Amino acid sequence: QSALTQPASVSGSPGQSITISCTGTSSDVGGYNYVSWYQQHPGKAPKLMIYEVSNRPSGVPDRFSGSKSGNTASLTISGLQAEDEADYYCSSYTSSSTLDVVFGGGTKLTVL
Amino acid sequence: EVQLVQSGAEVKKPGESLKISCKGSGYSFTSYWIGWVRQMPGKGLEWMGIIYPGDSDTRYSPSFQGQVTISADKSISTAYLQWSSLKASDTAMYYCATSIAVAGEAFDYWGQGTLVTVSS
Repeated sequence: QSALTQPASVSGSPGQSITISCTGTSSDVGGYNYVSWYQQHPGKAPKLMIYEVSNRPSGVPDRFSGSKSGNTASLTISGLQAEDEADYYCSSYTSSSTLDVVFGGGTKLTVL
Repeated sequence: EVQLVQSGAEVKKPGESLKISCKGSGYSFTSYWIGWVRQMPGKGLEWMGIIYPGDSDTRYSPSFQGQVTISADKSISTAYLQWSSLKASDTAMYYCATSIAVAGEAFDYWGQGTLVTVSS
């Protein structure tokens, strides 16, 4: 089972917007509206930022938004802040084999 | 308040067995799936498997099928991840997580992680 494909790193300046992509196949990202995004700071547990492609859990700022087109999902962070610097992972429900969920390889966001 | 509290760090030798735990509180433990996620040092997240404590329905990632056992004791609201014979490559942080207020495959509550170190 291949992990979803994410860029290894992205960067942006405070106040700017960035987008992180997450590319899969029609068996995962493209086949279901079950894509999530997690933020992980060093030494901490992951935190859910987006679920079901574009929904934000309670307490997540509306600077974070998600979308999907075909087999690629995207996380956009607008108005970048220093505390947004972290690793970001996407995940998707998948029908490949018996695996239920697959993660992306992760993207390191650097706020310049 | 929903909480998942994991057991403490472990240092083991190759070939030894291990069972780590994840105790849920603040919600109906038997009504929500609990999953396990591996993070090897400096690497990304890997979905290992998931269990429904209400009926012990369990699903594994093919990568972990046969390598670990996921179980739960609903009488004490605790899920487990166990190995019968550890390898050095099992060295990683292991997280338990559950979905309470969100739908689909997402995990909105996470344990603090259990660091497992396997070294001779």
